[in-house]
Amino acid sequence: DAGVTQSPTHLIKTRGQQVTLRCSPKSGHDTVSWYQQALGQGPQFIFQYYEEEERQRGNFPDRFSGHQFPNYSSELNVNALLLGDSALYLCASSGGGLVNTGELFFGEGSRLTVL
Amino acid sequence: AQRVTQPEKLLSVFKGAPVELKCNYSYSGSPELFWYVQYSRQRLQLLLRHISRESIKGFTADLNKGETSFHLKKPFAQEEDSAMYYCALNMNTGFQKLVFGTGTRLLVSP
Repeated sequence: DAGVTQSPTHLIKTRGQQVTLRCSPKSGHDTVSWYQQALGQGPQFIFQYYEEEERQRGNFPDRFSGHQFPNYSSELNVNALLLGDSALYLCASSGGGLVNTGELFFGEGSRLTVL
Repeated sequence: AQRVTQPEKLLSVFKGAPVELKCNYSYSGSPELFWYVQYSRQRLQLLLRHISRESIKGFTADLNKGETSFHLKKPFAQEEDSAMYYCALNMNTGFQKLVFGTGTRLLVSP
């Protein structure tokens, strides 16, 4: 099991552009959460997807949107990029039912730089 | 508002010394608290959670509701404990929506 995988690992965009980040959850997990980690800060919750719907959202503007597919993989989209969006974006998966231990499994992250 | 505070950015100790990484939280409900760790060139991973009341790699953490603290302790630090440690609060036990502190870097010198 490769665990949580994210792509791309690094990317550079310019202000105003749009970006899509991708995440495949750990095998057996059905819930995907996205976090933003700015330099020197802890991860900050963006939103969570379960059964292809957003069911929790943090304090992020509507420029941040997402999607979950039937295979539980997920995308994070950010429109109209700002310099302040530069950060490491972490995907975390967790399981429902019997596999839900309350633990989040994190990917290695996608580092976004906005110029 | 819910908040997790880790007052130390860096904690430097010698091998064999005791370690205490501080974590204080602000939450009006019943808290669920975790310590996550990130070793060099590895991903963020769970170290321990308060409901398990377990010792992992020699680390323990006790929830003190009176002091709203969840400090991480180890009696004898090892060089391999050097890592970034994050305290996290779950605001919604049904959805695992974590609030993280800013992290403490533990450096254990030989």
